[in-house]
Amino acid sequence: DIQMTQSPSSLSASVGDRVTITCRASQGISSLLAWFQHKPGKAPTPLIYAASSLQNGVPSKFSGSGSGTDFTLTISSLQPEDFATYYCQQYDTYPLTFGPGTKVDIK
Amino acid sequence: EVHLVESGGGLVQPGGSLRLSCATSGFTFDNYAMTWVRQAPGKGLEWVSAITGSATNTYYADSVRGRFTISRDNSKNTLYLQMSSLRAEDTAIYYCAKNYGSGRSFPDFWGQGTLVTVSS
Repeated sequence: DIQMTQSPSSLSASVGDRVTITCRASQGISSLLAWFQHKPGKAPTPLIYAASSLQNGVPSKFSGSGSGTDFTLTISSLQPEDFATYYCQQYDTYPLTFGPGTKVDIK
Repeated sequence: EVHLVESGGGLVQPGGSLRLSCATSGFTFDNYAMTWVRQAPGKGLEWVSAITGSATNTYYADSVRGRFTISRDNSKNTLYLQMSSLRAEDTAIYYCAKNYGSGRSFPDFWGQGTLVTVSS
């Protein structure tokens, strides 16, 4: 199975900060990677697919990059509604796998 | 508008069985693969299972293979997850999700989830 890791596991940031989260796959997955935002009590929402394509309706402050094994999610200017946990997921090979998550909270 | 509504969760004893359902609307159901994802208390998201649009192919996480069965009824626009030999570690919120396409892809619309608690 493909193992996904994320760093950091958590971070504290201020409104207006630029935030970058890293995701690494244990083997190459081309660009078959998605990013999700998850808030407590809510359904997860997709942000990015194909490593760098913005899902419909997602604001352009979110961006993704990478291919192969190393990927990043960037939030250009953190807003109060962005405090959440972020997950990457590979969809290159079954079983599909999520990263362990990165919790973004208020500094 | 896409809607996914899970049902069937509840309290079940270890070793027991439960069937989850996911009623869908707002899209052509049999054109899309479907997925189950779960989140145990205090843990991250875990991909559980997926099924192609025609139900020809099914896929499972190692942790549930042989105990869980995913299925769908395209005439009823409904997805199912039959869970048996349940364990305490299966306790989680179970989310149903529509995939972006007909095959291997990411979940682009999710339900609100149904809670399964495995405890004596």
